[in-house]
Amino acid sequence: SQTIHQWPATLVQPVGSPLSLECTVEGTSNPNLYWYRQAAGRGLQLLFYSVGIGQISSEVPQNLSASRPQDRQFILSSKKLLLSDSGFYLCAWKQSATNEKLFFGSGTQLSVL
Amino acid sequence: EDQVTQSPEALRLQEGESSSLNCSYTVSGLRGLFWYRQDPGKGPEFLFTLYSAGEEKEKERLKATLTKKESFLHITAPKPEDSATYLCAPLGDYKLSFGAGTTVTVRA
Repeated sequence: SQTIHQWPATLVQPVGSPLSLECTVEGTSNPNLYWYRQAAGRGLQLLFYSVGIGQISSEVPQNLSASRPQDRQFILSSKKLLLSDSGFYLCAWKQSATNEKLFFGSGTQLSVL
Repeated sequence: EDQVTQSPEALRLQEGESSSLNCSYTVSGLRGLFWYRQDPGKGPEFLFTLYSAGEEKEKERLKATLTKKESFLHITAPKPEDSATYLCAPLGDYKLSFGAGTTVTVRA
């Protein structure tokens, strides 16, 4: 069966520090991968999506970048965090074929202080 | 530009009081629509995928319907455990943008 792993669950980082959040998917190949951010009390904001290795589409210009070095690995990074980067970060993958679903990781709660 | 709008933003219901949530959208290459439920501090939980106008799907007290320009999520005789934020996301090509959600609170 397919599973998605996202870590860490909680992260507290100072302003100006770097960030690396990793997400891996098991049990499927060539998934579409997504990074979302959710500010407190707000909806899901699509940050990046990827349809293949090395292919990244950015939805919102910001202080973040994403990479997909392997088929089932999706990484969210920042060189210098801002206070506004705080939020709940969710990785997700989408199953293709006829019965599509978007599967979410458990999320990372990032606090930038 | 693709747009997704959910209404109302918040809905307070008495237990047993049925209601409907709306998701309207303009998305190029629309192929279908997702509905998800999200509890605070957790990732969204899958409810339904709808593909065709006129299609309906049900799960317990929830029923989702789809037209060409909007979708409805009907909650029949809700219980307090139905309290959550309900999110929709139209399926286009690869991008998946969610609406802002409707937060439903059901009082006993």
